[in-house]
Amino acid sequence: QKEVEQNSGPLSVPEGAIASLNCTYSDRGSQSFFWYRQYSGKSPELIMFIYSNGDKEDGRFTAQLNKASQYVSLLIRDSQPSDSATYLCAVSPQFYFGTGTSLTVIP
Amino acid sequence: SQTIHQWPATLVQPVGSPLSLECTVEGTSNPNLYWYRQAAGRGLQLLFYSVGIGQISSEVPQNLSASRPQDRQFILSSKKLLLSDSGFYLCAWSVPSGKVTGELFFGEGSRLTVL
Repeated sequence: QKEVEQNSGPLSVPEGAIASLNCTYSDRGSQSFFWYRQYSGKSPELIMFIYSNGDKEDGRFTAQLNKASQYVSLLIRDSQPSDSATYLCAVSPQFYFGTGTSLTVIP
Repeated sequence: SQTIHQWPATLVQPVGSPLSLECTVEGTSNPNLYWYRQAAGRGLQLLFYSVGIGQISSEVPQNLSASRPQDRQFILSSKKLLLSDSGFYLCAWSVPSGKVTGELFFGEGSRLTVL
C-alpha cells in the first residue's frame, strides 16, 4: 500500500489550546486528503477534506495542504475534552489511511 | 439519504472456522465499496475494494476473500480463520471516481475475536 504516515502520539494538550496533527504521504498522484476522527470502539467520522494547496477552515478546524512537500495537517483550535479521540489521515483515490494520532485534551 | 448497514456487529469464532461479514448500501447506485481491518490500537488497513459487481481488488494477500454479488452488497469471507484475523472490520462506500470528490462513509463495524 502507498504510505501514509502519522505521528502515533499520544498527543496531550490542555483545554483551550491548539492541537496540531500531521500527516505525510508518499504517492504524488494522491488527489484528495481527508481527516477522520475515531472514538474508541466506533467507526471513523469525517472532520473535513482538502484537495487544493493552502488552508481550509471549518469552525475550530483548519486543514493545511502542501502538495510539494507531500504534507497535510489538521489544527484544532480551542481544544475541548470532547475532541479526545484518534485522528486518522486518509488519501484518495485509493483511501489509504495512516495509523492515526491519539489526542487527549486535558480539562 | 444514503445509509450503510454492516453485520454482525460482534462475533467470536474459533480458529479454523469460516467467516462471513456482510455489508449493504442504500440510497445510491454503483458505489465504490471497501473493506478495512483495524487491529487493536492500530490504523485502518485496506483489505479489498470494488468499483463494480464482480470487480474486486485485493490489497493484502491473506486468507480472506471478498465478493460483490450485487451492486450494493459487499461480503467478506474466510474459509479458515487465524488468530491474527481478530480485529475491527469496517465496510465503507464512496461515490465512484470521476464524480464530485466525496468522503468515505463507514458502517458501524464488526468486531471479530478469534479464539
